[in-house]
Amino acid sequence: EVQLVQSGPEVKEPGESLSISCKASGDIFDKYWIVWVRQMPGKGLEWMGRIEPQDSYINYNPSFRGHVTLSVDKSTATAFLQWKNLKASDSAMYYCTTLHSSCLYLWGQGTLVTVSS
Amino acid sequence: YVLTQSPSVSLAPGQTARFTCGGDNIGSKSVHWYQQRPGQAPVLVISYDTDRPSGIPERFSGSNSGNTATLTISRVEAGDEADFFCQVWDSDYHGPIFGGGTKLTVL
Repeated sequence: EVQLVQSGPEVKEPGESLSISCKASGDIFDKYWIVWVRQMPGKGLEWMGRIEPQDSYINYNPSFRGHVTLSVDKSTATAFLQWKNLKASDSAMYYCTTLHSSCLYLWGQGTLVTVSS
Repeated sequence: YVLTQSPSVSLAPGQTARFTCGGDNIGSKSVHWYQQRPGQAPVLVISYDTDRPSGIPERFSGSNSGNTATLTISRVEAGDEADFFCQVWDSDYHGPIFGGGTKLTVL
């Protein structure tokens, strides 16, 4: 079954670093960009950035550039979303999803990040 | 580019739900719709204005013209309760743009 499986919930303090993951099955990494989407509590969907797994070409949403880093490990078909300096406002659900031309076809189950002192 | 959705829709079972997504000349763009049930990840229910992905019931349909795209759910069921988001691709932005979402409540 083709799917995206994300890492588990995280609880961190402000200022800490964090990496969450998204493991792809099947031939997802050969065919599709991976997009990361943020959903703050009770709010809508926001695009953070996208990465092309084969050559790691990246586009960032200007609102997130400089605060997060996208990367992939082709050997394990895993995409990563990383922070070096978490803020309380980073508390949210984060989804990885596959980009099929212009739509987001397959979604991971989400990773809940809580940042609190 | 801004997509505008009504905040909420409330209907009784069996009625028809219509969700609108407004944007400047949105009819010239491809619109995609996602259903997000409480506590779950979004699911693509309509792609490219009118296409239904595998596994999505025929009760779900879409249209797009002028400044408004519409998602229609016929014969609404309790299990349809969810937030519905529209999305287009912004070529200047190189990324997806989402509407604010509409919450469907089935009374």
